[in-house]
Amino acid sequence: DGGITQSPKYLFRKEGQNVTLSCEQNLNHDAMYWYRQDPGQGLRLIYYSQIVNDFQKGDIAEGYSVSREKKESFPLTVTSAQKNPTAFYLCACSSGRRITGELFFGEGSRLTVL
Amino acid sequence: QQQVKQSPQSLIVQKGGIPIINCAYENTAFDYFPWYQQFPGKGPALLIAIRPDVSEKKEGRFTISFNKSAKQFSLHIMDSQPGDSATYFCAAILNTGGFKTIFGAGTRLFVKA
Repeated sequence: DGGITQSPKYLFRKEGQNVTLSCEQNLNHDAMYWYRQDPGQGLRLIYYSQIVNDFQKGDIAEGYSVSREKKESFPLTVTSAQKNPTAFYLCACSSGRRITGELFFGEGSRLTVL
Repeated sequence: QQQVKQSPQSLIVQKGGIPIINCAYENTAFDYFPWYQQFPGKGPALLIAIRPDVSEKKEGRFTISFNKSAKQFSLHIMDSQPGDSATYFCAAILNTGGFKTIFGAGTRLFVKA
């Protein structure tokens, strides 16, 4: 079955540590995205990538970094520069071949900073 | 200009009721309007979507009504069930070479048994 997989599902981090969240998809979609969701709030775009080796900042990119070395993978690093990193992180992808652009989401990764 | 305003923030209905969630937008360049359903601790999943040249779309118990002149659209859930209790997000997609999705703030729905 095709899908998008995020890992780990839960992650705990001490202040000052960087942490990397994994996102892998086998849907052969061109575009991939990272969103942040805080309790009771909507989805805020962190970074997105439309093709391999290229990515753009979203609305809240400060304190985060990404890479897109393979079409299937779009890892997100939460750096120590992110002031309030505790949140639910969602990875998504969309096919550039469809004319509608709807997103397919992973199950999410919950990061807690201790 | 690129905001999508969603209301209400939360909604409680009895089983069998018809919850209605409303969204409004300003940018007439949006060309696709999906709704996503999210259960606690899970990622959102595409529920139903509509193009702006269509006034209504039904999929099972879920219906989108679209009013292009008013720049508003809404989700109706017929014969709602406790299993429909979730957070619902409306969205609008802009195609500018790549796709940009603007989300509403979400509506938390609780269906009482």
